[in-house]
This record gives sequence, structure tokens and C-alpha cells, in this order.
Amino acid sequence: DAGITQSPRHKVTETGTPVTLRCHQTENHRYMYWYRQDPGHGLRLIHYSYGVKDTDKGEVSDGYSVSRSKTEDFLLTLESATSSQTSVYFCAISGASGDKGQTQYFGPGTRLLVL
Amino acid sequence: GQQLNQSPQSMFIQEGEDVSMNCTSSSIFNTWLWYKQEPGEGPVLLIALYKAGELTSNGRLTAQFGITRKDSFLNISASIPSDVGIYFCAGRRIQGAQKLVFGQGTRLTINP
Repeated sequence: DAGITQSPRHKVTETGTPVTLRCHQTENHRYMYWYRQDPGHGLRLIHYSYGVKDTDKGEVSDGYSVSRSKTEDFLLTLESATSSQTSVYFCAISGASGDKGQTQYFGPGTRLLVL
Repeated sequence: GQQLNQSPQSMFIQEGEDVSMNCTSSSIFNTWLWYKQEPGEGPVLLIALYKAGELTSNGRLTAQFGITRKDSFLNISASIPSDVGIYFCAGRRIQGAQKLVFGQGTRLTINP
């Protein structure tokens, strides 16, 4: 298994509060991604990073920001959580040396409930 | 945004039966991937396909990259209880690009 951890694994918060989710990798992969998973929508890309301090938006980026100050950490922040952001959040990594297919490996997920 | 149409959305089968699911798009893809997700875990890659017409197996799983490059198929032969889970297709439109597009998933339930 790829060395990816996410923290926290579960969180309950109130509408309007800031929330930060952390993804940590020990694989030294270049690329990191944040997805959200909701019933009927599969996995949708929120933001991704192609290097330290290099990030770009995905298809559902509104209401989210990210930061990557070190290769191993990719943070996802909800500045002011809303109930529509209740979801399961997955981090993924790719960019292993010699992997022509740039396979994405997923973390265990963070279940977020916004009340 | 771009989405892949995956079908069926759910399947209820008897142990030992074969399973088929597919993924289609209106756009051409250069890479097709199939993932499996079990409850409480992240998706795990099963099979990756890189060329039109490619047929690749992983144990009892076989996947094909459609000739038109707009679809892909996953078959599971002689299903067993541990095959239960949600299967996702994913595609990469541009060779070398990092972003993937995912299907909505097929939930597989097996009756012993």
C-alpha cells in the first residue's frame, strides 16, 4: 500500500466554522489531489498539486483552498464550512518514478459532517 | 463537468456468476482505469489500460479498452463474496495529464 495518511478520519463541525484536512505521504510522489465523494457523483476533483507551492483547481473548487508547503503534506481548507460540504474526502498521490501510467493511489478518506 | 457514464449503477448476483460492467463517454480517452472501493476505504487500482483494443487481466478480472476509445469494460468471472464493493472506472483524456475523470460507480452485491 502507498504510504498515504489522512487526518482526521472523522470530523463533525458546525456551519460557518473553518476546517482543515491533512494529507500526508511518505512516497515522495510529485502530484497530490483532493477529491470529494458523494452518492451518485463518484469522485470529483477539488484541487490538485503538481509540486511544492504549485496548485490548481479541479471541477468543484468553490469554497475550498489548498496549500502545499512541503512535498509530503497537502492541506485542504474549508474557510467557512457549509452543509453542502458534508462528504467523504479522499487524498490521492501520483508520480512514482518509472510509472508511465501515473497511477493515482488513494488515502483512507476523511468523513466530514457539517451541521 | 466531464463525467463518465458507468452502468449498471448496482448489481445483485449469486455467488459464482459472472459480472459485466461498462463505462462510456462522448469524448476520447487515452487511459482507462478500473478501481474497487470497499466500505470505509479508499479506491484501489485493479487494472490500467493504455491502448485502444487492449485487453488486460488481473486474476478473475478482465478489462478492455474500447476500440473507439470512448468506452471500457470490466468483467469478473466466477464471483466470490470478497468481490463485493463499488467499482469505479476512471479515464484520462490527455496523455501525460494528471487529472482523472471518474464514473459514478457500480455497487456489486453478492448473495452466497
